[in-house]
Amino acid sequence: EPEVTQTPSHQVTQMGQEVILRCVPISNHLYFYWYRQILGQKVEFLVSFYNNEISEKSEIFDDQFSVERPDGSNFTLKIRSTKLEDSAMYFCASSWDSPSYEQYFGPGTRLTVT
Amino acid sequence: ILNVEQSPQSLHVQEGDSTNFTCSFPSSNFYALHWYRWETAKSPEALFVMTLNGDEKKKGRISATLNTKEGYSYLYIKGSQPEDSATYLCAFNSPDSWGKFQFGAGTQVVVTP
Repeated sequence: EPEVTQTPSHQVTQMGQEVILRCVPISNHLYFYWYRQILGQKVEFLVSFYNNEISEKSEIFDDQFSVERPDGSNFTLKIRSTKLEDSAMYFCASSWDSPSYEQYFGPGTRLTVT
Repeated sequence: ILNVEQSPQSLHVQEGDSTNFTCSFPSSNFYALHWYRWETAKSPEALFVMTLNGDEKKKGRISATLNTKEGYSYLYIKGSQPEDSATYLCAFNSPDSWGKFQFGAGTQVVVTP
């Protein structure tokens, strides 16, 4: 069964460093998303992406964050200068069609900023 | 209700018993309600997408109902098995918030043999 994959599973970085989290969505999906879950809190939406541009972003997704689909298979989230409060589990998701369809989630990347 | 709330936060169930838990969401501006099953270290797995008031969906021993007028959904597990142990998440989205799922905190279910 097709699945969303994410790499790495765990990333440790120092405050101020840039990180790139990578995702390979399901191949025929058209819509892509990033969410995050800070330990003990709810999963929260970051950004949605369609047709090579951002469709919607949350207030969390400030200038420090960017997303890219550099080729036909990868979808990346970049954090330019990490802060301690960026430590969280980051989930990538993809969907075939409109939001009334399921979003398929990857297993997440745990980002630890020290 | 402005947020998505789930209750209880956790519950322990004996193998073979049935259980249910709740997701509450904004009753206005409704588009869809999603249920996910999330086991530790795995991807959240989509269970149901519910869009119509009165919807009832079933997948094996797990079923869900939806009341959009009062803003709640129930998830039922019939004859719980240890493999049902997981966190069950609900997510709400509205028509003016394209693709943005608003998640509840989840209900952690532990089924003991």
